[in-house]
Amino acid sequence: EIVMTQSPATLSVSPGERATLSCRASQSVSSNLAWYQQKAGQAPRLLIYGASTRATGIPARFSGSGSGTEFTLTISSLQSEDFAVYYCQQYDNWPPWTFGQGTKVEIK
Amino acid sequence: EVQLVESGGGLVQPGRSLRLSCTTSGFIFGDYAVSWVRQAPGKGLEWVAFIRSKAYTGAVEYAASVNGRFAISRDDSRSIAYLQMNSLKTDDTAMYYCTRTKRILVVGEVRYFFDYWGQGTLVTVSS
Repeated sequence: EIVMTQSPATLSVSPGERATLSCRASQSVSSNLAWYQQKAGQAPRLLIYGASTRATGIPARFSGSGSGTEFTLTISSLQSEDFAVYYCQQYDNWPPWTFGQGTKVEIK
Repeated sequence: EVQLVESGGGLVQPGRSLRLSCTTSGFIFGDYAVSWVRQAPGKGLEWVAFIRSKAYTGAVEYAASVNGRFAISRDDSRSIAYLQMNSLKTDDTAMYYCTRTKRILVVGEVRYFFDYWGQGTLVTVSS
């Protein structure tokens, strides 16, 4: 089973600033990596798949990069609606599909 | 608009059973795989079960934690997926999400990821 590790656990950012979230896989997942956003009390929403492709309707301020075992989600200029928990998930080696433990982006 | 709506959650005693439903609309249900993902209170996401589309055998997969106790199925004529949960344990307490699961080919290899999620249904296992 591939273990996904996200860092940091919590990221404090001011509105308008850049946020950089990291995700590491215990073995290579190629580019088979997705990012999800979960706001409080809501279901997760797909942001990025294929490590860098934005899902339908996702604003351009969200970008993903990386391959193999190291991945990054960048939010270029944080908006109030972006404060949430973000999860990475590998879909290269399945089953099981595995998620990171999440990074909470909070208002500084 | 793609929609998935879960139902069937509730309070149940340990050892009992519960069946969850995922009613979908806005897409051709039979063309997609479906997965269930759960989230224990205050915790992260855990994949639970997966069923392929009939075009790709309709075969299923389960997480080790539920294998032998849970069963996923689908009714393409009604665009509904189900999760039958038997021998429930307190550790099964979670919000259960149904997800549309998209099949893609990456360098000739089959991959699936979760592109749309329902709002979830809460299952509480307690005496």
